[in-house]
Amino acid sequence: AQSVTQLDSHVSVSEGTPVLLRCNYSSSYSPSLFWYVQHPNKGLQLLLKYTSAATLVKGINGFEAEFKKSETSFHLTKPSAHMSDAAEYFCVVSGGGYSTLTFGKGTMLLVSP
Amino acid sequence: DGGITQSPKYLFRKEGQNVTLSCEQNLNHDAMYWYRQDPGQGLRLIYYSHIVNDFQKGDIAEGYSVSREKKESFPLTVTSAQKNPTAFYLCASSIQAVRERGNQPQHFGDGTRLSIL
Repeated sequence: AQSVTQLDSHVSVSEGTPVLLRCNYSSSYSPSLFWYVQHPNKGLQLLLKYTSAATLVKGINGFEAEFKKSETSFHLTKPSAHMSDAAEYFCVVSGGGYSTLTFGKGTMLLVSP
Repeated sequence: DGGITQSPKYLFRKEGQNVTLSCEQNLNHDAMYWYRQDPGQGLRLIYYSHIVNDFQKGDIAEGYSVSREKKESFPLTVTSAQKNPTAFYLCASSIQAVRERGNQPQHFGDGTRLSIL
């Protein structure tokens, strides 16, 4: 069994300040973890993925995430927010093998000027 | 450019009516998926298919049906048995439908928004 919890439904930041979106997971197997971004009325776009290689994963648009097995966390960060980062972000876990993806409920990122 | 095409972008259903949502991919992916998205609920898996002529129920399959007659196509029918069909529907695909599937990211279409008249 696997599950994922996004700890904040909404996060508000000012443009130019750091972004932190929090995600905890549980999985019976060595998990694969993903972050996706969704802009309004659009599909999901892959930001980054962790698949048991380096624990610090760099993604697109300056985002990165760190896999911490001891804390079962996979938080998404960005040093400096841009207005175009305003969107909904989903943390996703896959237990490997024949398991399907499990999506978190999403975190809406609001960026103010 | 390769990708996933969902149509129509907006769809309206009358009471007692079946409607079909189209999903086509030219990525040569083996696996295809249908998700339902409701506000604050994340994505929930309706059906998935790893190979042509085979598909499995996801977490919320009741009131839906699918077919997989071609590798490129995975249409979803929302039947009259689905009493609350209003939602945003997303189709996705991924490579390697077996063994390594859990490690592969899924690619998404731009969705179909279904509403009740």
